[in-house]
Amino acid sequence: DQQVKQNSPSLSVQEGRISILNCDYTNSMFDYFLWYKKYPAEGPTFLISISSIKDKNEDGRFTVFLNKSAKHLSLHIVPSQPGDSAVYFCAASGYSGTYKYIFGTGTRLKVLA
Amino acid sequence: DVKVTQSSRYLVKRTGEKVFLECVQDMDHENMFWYRQDPGLGLRLIYFSYDVKMKEKGDIPEGYSVSREKKERFSLILESASTNQTSMYLCASSSLQGAYDFGPGTRLTVT
Repeated sequence: DQQVKQNSPSLSVQEGRISILNCDYTNSMFDYFLWYKKYPAEGPTFLISISSIKDKNEDGRFTVFLNKSAKHLSLHIVPSQPGDSAVYFCAASGYSGTYKYIFGTGTRLKVLA
Repeated sequence: DVKVTQSSRYLVKRTGEKVFLECVQDMDHENMFWYRQDPGLGLRLIYFSYDVKMKEKGDIPEGYSVSREKKERFSLILESASTNQTSMYLCASSSLQGAYDFGPGTRLTVT
């Protein structure tokens, strides 16, 4: 049972436009969410986080939105750049003795020059 | 700026071999994790540890074991490697509620 889902395996966007990556979760106890970016043959790198007490968090070109009632979060990248081409993973966690993140299956973003 | 290192970037082993994957972090993190990444399956948790000598099974522990004798080091052991363990292995560490810092990954091929 996939508790964290990224239903779009891939996404193509023109350079300079907005990229929107989506993530859905099923467990209402999740209270902290992360986005990671991963290039081939490298480890994932942390991008941005959001806690359940907020509905939006911004960091430069990256904004994460959280809709708790829909159990949905999204990552917006504006403007998209070719260097943003990578696989993006969302992850969710709730306290269960320790914090352990469950990852989605990833969305491959391709930004076209 | 070393944070999480893994002993090998690429590894080729034969079926039935015992394989050791080492991970070291220099951030004094309590938590350490081993994941594997496979196409279409995302990152799946194999084992994690929240303290020295403590370990807990993740979602796919079968065929693996771990060891954490020191806070900074977390080892993943494949007792008898099989071809279905060919994968990218990622080690991560975190403070109590923090985001994970990942290592560069080890691409393991079992032939």
